[in-house]
Amino acid sequence: GAGVSQSPRYKVAKRGQDVALRCDPISGHVSLFWYQQALGQGPEFLTYFQNEAQLDKSGLPSDRFFAERPEGSVSTLKIQRTQQEDSAVYLCASSSRRLVSYEQYFGPGTRLTVT
Amino acid sequence: QQPVQSPQAVILREGEDAVINCSSSKALYSVHWYRQKHGEAPVFLMILLKGGEQKGHEKISASFNEKKQQSSLYLTASQLSYSGTYFCGTGNNDMRFGAGTRLTVKP
Repeated sequence: GAGVSQSPRYKVAKRGQDVALRCDPISGHVSLFWYQQALGQGPEFLTYFQNEAQLDKSGLPSDRFFAERPEGSVSTLKIQRTQQEDSAVYLCASSSRRLVSYEQYFGPGTRLTVT
Repeated sequence: QQPVQSPQAVILREGEDAVINCSSSKALYSVHWYRQKHGEAPVFLMILLKGGEQKGHEKISASFNEKKQQSSLYLTASQLSYSGTYFCGTGNNDMRFGAGTRLTVKP
């Protein structure tokens, strides 16, 4: 079946531009996670949704970062006034259960480069 | 708090064994293990729950010692396909991943 998909796969933005990154989770998956992965590092937690509710946004690095999942399926991560330090791969993952003790399925990521 | 992984990198010959360790300064209730190949998404390997439980996935197994707040991943008779970066993840819904262990298996 279809896995987690993300678009665009690559995004180049000029410093100061706004960007929107999309995540299509596996159909029926309740939980959705966003991570930021810098080169050579592990994924860093950004935010977590259970259906349409954003239950944890403690990892969002600044108020320039905003995520939503209005209908409990597709999610969008928006970054306003991008900065060079925002350059990274943004990974989305979904899980079929509410509890963390279930595997997460990752999308291929969006590589964001801010010039 | 991010878990700490060791070693940072390891190079093996095909058929050799390896151990990757993951430790946390916080109490652990579960540990996730993922493998990521270059340019690809992390792929789930296994989850371990509290109780010193051991799980297996082909020739890859893991243990979890909740008292020591540690987990270890064991790769037996490594294959070329095992190459990649291995991450452990801990926490609740705010999953924290270690910095990764880069494993290279050579023929």
